[in-house]
Amino acid sequence: DADVTQTPRNRITKTGKRIMLECSQTKGHDRMYWYRQDPGLGLRLIYYSFDVKDINKGEISDGYSVSRQAQAKFSLSLESAIPNQTALYFCATSGRQISTDTQYFGPGTRLTVL
Amino acid sequence: QKEVEQDPGPLSVPEGAIVSLNCTYSNSAFQYFMWYRQYSRKGPELLMYTYSSGNKEDGRFTAQVDKSSKYISLFIRDSQPSDSATYLCAMSAGSSNTGKLIFGQGTTLQVKP
Repeated sequence: DADVTQTPRNRITKTGKRIMLECSQTKGHDRMYWYRQDPGLGLRLIYYSFDVKDINKGEISDGYSVSRQAQAKFSLSLESAIPNQTALYFCATSGRQISTDTQYFGPGTRLTVL
Repeated sequence: QKEVEQDPGPLSVPEGAIVSLNCTYSNSAFQYFMWYRQYSRKGPELLMYTYSSGNKEDGRFTAQVDKSSKYISLFIRDSQPSDSATYLCAMSAGSSNTGKLIFGQGTTLQVKP
């Protein structure tokens, strides 16, 4: 079984709709992250969470919100989707280690906003 | 200027070639350097991890870090078609208070049989 899972894997929606992307992990990690990936722009951090009570904005948080329901679950919401939010979205996790910030990624969700 | 710069390619080489992938960065606080490999329609997976300056070898892969030049490299020897993927460099200052990685744009590599 995969350590980091994302649902759905693909989603097509319309402008103005509310969308939730979900992430679950079995690695026992405290830290979880949401990224979006666009061609030529690499991975950009949307939000990150160091534990259930800690939520932080990343580089591009406008238009997004998150919820950390449990240590193992971290969801990303688009309250009112717009076409420029069409992208590949990745969830990642990492352990609470000072010596490394190695992150482990889920398989991604391909979101299309029409 | 982006904190991490990476030539997006695409880079096309024949099977068996030596491949060199590079990133430059501007933040002298970065101490941890990683290379991720991402196959099409998959999430990135950690390939190599290096702390501070120096070299690290793992099979056909060698990661080099030159902190004085703010330059990191990934070398792939005897490249195989299965190495065809996008390679992303990533780096961190390593503070337990941030845990954030900064990624390059990724270089797309194609190894032709």
